[in-house]
Amino acid sequence: AQKITQTQPGMFVQEKEAVTLDCTYDTSDPSYGLFWYKQPSSGEMIFLIYQGSYDQQNATEGRYSLNFQKARKSANLVISASQLGDSAMYFCAMREGLNGNKLVFGAGTILRVKS
Amino acid sequence: DTAVSQTPKYLVTQMGNDKSIKCEQNLGHDTMYWYKQDSKKFLKIMFSYNNKELIINETVPNRFSPKSPDKAHLNLHINSLELGDSAVYFCASSNSFGQTTNEKLFFGSGTQLSVL
Repeated sequence: AQKITQTQPGMFVQEKEAVTLDCTYDTSDPSYGLFWYKQPSSGEMIFLIYQGSYDQQNATEGRYSLNFQKARKSANLVISASQLGDSAMYFCAMREGLNGNKLVFGAGTILRVKS
Repeated sequence: DTAVSQTPKYLVTQMGNDKSIKCEQNLGHDTMYWYKQDSKKFLKIMFSYNNKELIINETVPNRFSPKSPDKAHLNLHINSLELGDSAVYFCASSNSFGQTTNEKLFFGSGTQLSVL
């Protein structure tokens, strides 16, 4: 079964607008961590933001915030004030407490920012 | 100053050849990984090493043999290369041995392997 599901293969957003990239996850482990990575066309993997399952508040890092809805098992990434440089592939990933060595990735969402 | 460096960046070779990809991290991390990213951009873990010891082997064909001479290095050797091995291979490292859920991975820049 898929542990991480990203249902949007591709998204477009107008420059300066906000965009939400969806991520749902599946785990029975009460302790887990959720990550978002960005992969621009140059290919490197860039860590963006982390949310722990016990964190009471949604994580924020600059223009990135994570809309964490634990009951729905969703961890959507919100990018505010989109910039052209945000055009990239975005991956959601999960690390489970009982299987902590492994970071499992979703299929990714391609984001294109339009000027 | 690169934290996780892997070489080569590009590798083009013929079917049946044997090739190696090298990875080194200068972050002092205990755990290193190899991930494979296929043509659809899907990232899948292949191996994980902790302090030179193999921890994860995700049903990878035994033509793939990781080697960790010390905890700062994790190399990947591939025997008898096949067309389906064409992909981008990422090396990564993290600080701890899965004891916490917040350990992010630091990735190398990837090696694009093309098997002709």
